[in-house]
Amino acid sequence: QIILKESSPTLVKPTQTLTLTCTVSGFSLTTSGAGVGWIRQPPGKALEWLALIYWNDGLRYTPSLKSRLTIAKDTSKNQVVLTMTNMDPEDTATYYCVHVAAVGSRRYFDSWGQGTLVTVSS
Amino acid sequence: QSVLTQPPSVSAAPGQKVIISCSGSSSNIGNNYVSWYQQFPGTAPKLLIYDNDKRPSGVPDRFSGSKSGTSATLDITGLQTGDEADYYCGSWDASLKGVFGGGTKVTVL
Repeated sequence: QIILKESSPTLVKPTQTLTLTCTVSGFSLTTSGAGVGWIRQPPGKALEWLALIYWNDGLRYTPSLKSRLTIAKDTSKNQVVLTMTNMDPEDTATYYCVHVAAVGSRRYFDSWGQGTLVTVSS
Repeated sequence: QSVLTQPPSVSAAPGQKVIISCSGSSSNIGNNYVSWYQQFPGTAPKLLIYDNDKRPSGVPDRFSGSKSGTSATLDITGLQTGDEADYYCGSWDASLKGVFGGGTKVTVL
């Protein structure tokens, strides 16, 4: 059973850097075809895909936020970390960690963490 | 502004059918697979349909997906009060970056 659990501060100040950690179990971050990504959802709004890291260290970022995002994995800790710089109140959202099943051109988010609400406010 | 376009809401009486559309382009849906996610208030989304039309284990066959060209649809037949939720379509762009629709709220009348 794949389990993903997010951890992060609940409150960050504008201009600060946010660090989100996803601790995974039930699969290996080096298993061929495995990926872990981040998706966020502002209160009352739609899902927004942010970033993804694959088993082979392939990276993908959403174009609109690419300059502010860095995703990395620590296989020894079974963790994926996303950092987002220069936080703004508009970044207030629930951030979800997701497992991506990828086989060739087929890929989808088959497991989701419970989400962590991050509020940006001074 | 979401990349994929969905109607904000659909509704029908119990037992009836609703169809949720998801419109994209050749840069995303036209050349990639579509998945659908169901989200109840206050909870994380759950995979409902993958690879355009496949259901994960445990998803009732009342839910079905299809894709044609640059659009996809999610059909819910035999609508139940427990189906009231938000539904999101998702796909990928040419660089295999994820894209989502704006979500559709299903209301059972």
